[in-house]
Amino acid sequence: KQEVTQIPAALSVPEGENLVLNCSFTDSAIYNLQWFRQDPGKGLTSLLLIQSSQREQTSGRLNASLDKSSGRSTLYIAASQPGDSATYLCAVKNAGNMLTFGGGTRLMVKP
Amino acid sequence: GAGVSQSPSNKVTEKGKDVELRCDPISGHTALYWYRQSLGQGLEFLIYFQGNSAPDKSGLPSDRFSAERTGGSVSTLTIQRTQQEDSAVYLCASSFGGAHGYTFGSGTRLTVV
Repeated sequence: KQEVTQIPAALSVPEGENLVLNCSFTDSAIYNLQWFRQDPGKGLTSLLLIQSSQREQTSGRLNASLDKSSGRSTLYIAASQPGDSATYLCAVKNAGNMLTFGGGTRLMVKP
Repeated sequence: GAGVSQSPSNKVTEKGKDVELRCDPISGHTALYWYRQSLGQGLEFLIYFQGNSAPDKSGLPSDRFSAERTGGSVSTLTIQRTQQEDSAVYLCASSFGGAHGYTFGSGTRLTVV
């Protein structure tokens, strides 16, 4: 059974810092890994989707990497802004299109 | 449609009443998930539909909860005899198979009073 873990559970940084969120998974037989953002009381917004054959994906200030063999992904946020404050979730998609979520990292960027 | 649509966006109901929550997935998406998220908590898996296969109902918390997906498209989550602990945001997500990612709806906020 796939298990997904996110570290840290919570993170508070001053504005402008670069930061890294970590995601690990136990079963490397994945189709893809997806990073989501969730604002309080809202649904999930997809940030980046990395296929199992890819090493990284970039969108603006966000960069996600994937090391499938070691079961790890990182989300790098450059020059953090207060508007980046949210919960960040990673999810892996396995055979049968099963989706397994990590517990999330709650990020607070202070002005 | 362009995205996953959920209705209603908000629902307030009295304890003991039945409610139906609707999810319109993106056209052609074969996989559909329902999740529940209580205030300040993580995502709780409820049920998963994949094509014409029997759904994975292992996350449904009690027999008061049921879900259908008609014609491989629209899905309805039904909660009978609602309880206050059912109050949560109910999220739906859909995907094509294989390498495609999941798209989430905006959710239905259910409040049982």
